[in-house]
Amino acid sequence: QTVVTQEPSFSVSPGGTVTLTCGLSSGSVSTTHYPSWCQQTPGQPPRTLIYNTNSRSSGVPDRFSGSILGNKAALTITGAQADDESDYYCVLYLGGAIRVFGGGTKLTVL
Amino acid sequence: QITLKESGPTLVKPTQTLTLTCSFSGFSLTTSGVGVGWIRQPPGKALEWLAATYWNDDKPYSPSLRSRLTITKDTSKNQVVLTMTNMDPVDTGTYYCAQYFDWNTIWGQGTAVTVSS
Repeated sequence: QTVVTQEPSFSVSPGGTVTLTCGLSSGSVSTTHYPSWCQQTPGQPPRTLIYNTNSRSSGVPDRFSGSILGNKAALTITGAQADDESDYYCVLYLGGAIRVFGGGTKLTVL
Repeated sequence: QITLKESGPTLVKPTQTLTLTCSFSGFSLTTSGVGVGWIRQPPGKALEWLAATYWNDDKPYSPSLRSRLTITKDTSKNQVVLTMTNMDPVDTGTYYCAQYFDWNTIWGQGTAVTVSS
């Protein structure tokens, strides 16, 4: 069974830059997995930030960007703000129209 | 404006079947490329993708839950229904529906389901 991997936790200083990654237990992530990233704060539904590797959803600030770095998908937050403190999930399209979420990264801004 | 709203029971007993309805507006499931999916989240845990249905009648399911899930759509009512059989306390969580289009995802607010006798 394919597992999507993410860092369990990460911290960044206010104003700093952080890159979260999303990998596969077997193989490399590529654009053909159409990586997507969503942000979730406690008690709220997820909100899609990035889809199709590097497209920003409507209303998402341009300090959020997506890419492929090496064999993983990546979400970079430039100029982190206090309200970026959230859980971040990646989701990959694995073919057969099946999607799999990663375990999520808890981002702390301090 | 696209909106999705989940509805269903808040409490089900073990072994019962859960039926959830996603009612949506602002788009049609007859439009090419459009899909509606279900995702769940146990308390304090990660999101888990469950199933989806598309404009072309494609219906992918999570391999690990496929035997328990059925997803159907009613395009005239703008609704998608998910049934999950043989519910267990580990199925407790918030269930979200979401619209898929052009690889983007728009989420509903979610509905909480507790499985307990």
